[in-house]
Amino acid sequence: AQSVTQLDSHVSVSEGTPVLLRCNYSSSYSPSLFWYVQHPNKGLQLLLKYTSAATLVKGINGFEAEFKKSETSFHLTKPSAHMSDAAEYFCVVSDQSYNTDKLIFGTGTRLQVFP
Amino acid sequence: EAGVVQSPRYKIIEKKQPVAFWCNPISGHNTLYWYLQNLGQGPELLIRYENEEAVDDSQLPKDRFSAERLKGVDSTLKIQPAELGDSAVYLCASSRLTGSNTGELFFGEGSRLTVL
Repeated sequence: AQSVTQLDSHVSVSEGTPVLLRCNYSSSYSPSLFWYVQHPNKGLQLLLKYTSAATLVKGINGFEAEFKKSETSFHLTKPSAHMSDAAEYFCVVSDQSYNTDKLIFGTGTRLQVFP
Repeated sequence: EAGVVQSPRYKIIEKKQPVAFWCNPISGHNTLYWYLQNLGQGPELLIRYENEEAVDDSQLPKDRFSAERLKGVDSTLKIQPAELGDSAVYLCASSRLTGSNTGELFFGEGSRLTVL
């Protein structure tokens, strides 16, 4: 069965410094992986997705993630944090076993950005 | 275009009372999902509809939870009777394509339930 593990429940950075949110996955298949963001009292929004094309995936708002099969990782990065990046971030894998395909969410990483 | 609309945004009830949540997906989206999000956790799928058919309801606690999607558009999720452990955020999402290989689900803002 597919699963994702988000290695940090909280990450704090200063504005203008790099962001790294870590995610490891477990999958019996070639996985489809995603990052979603949830701002307070807002709906979840897709940041980016990996579906076996380029291993470096660029998303919205300057975020990107790199798929590393050898490390079973899909870490989310951004070169320079902005105050508006403060939110909850979810690493997600698509469960494609048994011909179903539903999204399996990690437990989330709360990103705080300090001025 | 309008996003996924959910109501009510907040609901406080006493245990053993019934409660219902409503969702209006994005126009043209055939697939509709209900997710449960407990505090500090990621969303978990309760049920997925393709048009009016529930194609995956394996995670829906059928003793107290029910859902319907009449005419393949709006959907209602009901809990009867509610228990203390049902306190959570209930998320509705929709997608244009069948299945979630695209991964792009559009979520509503959620309905936060508090059971006293």
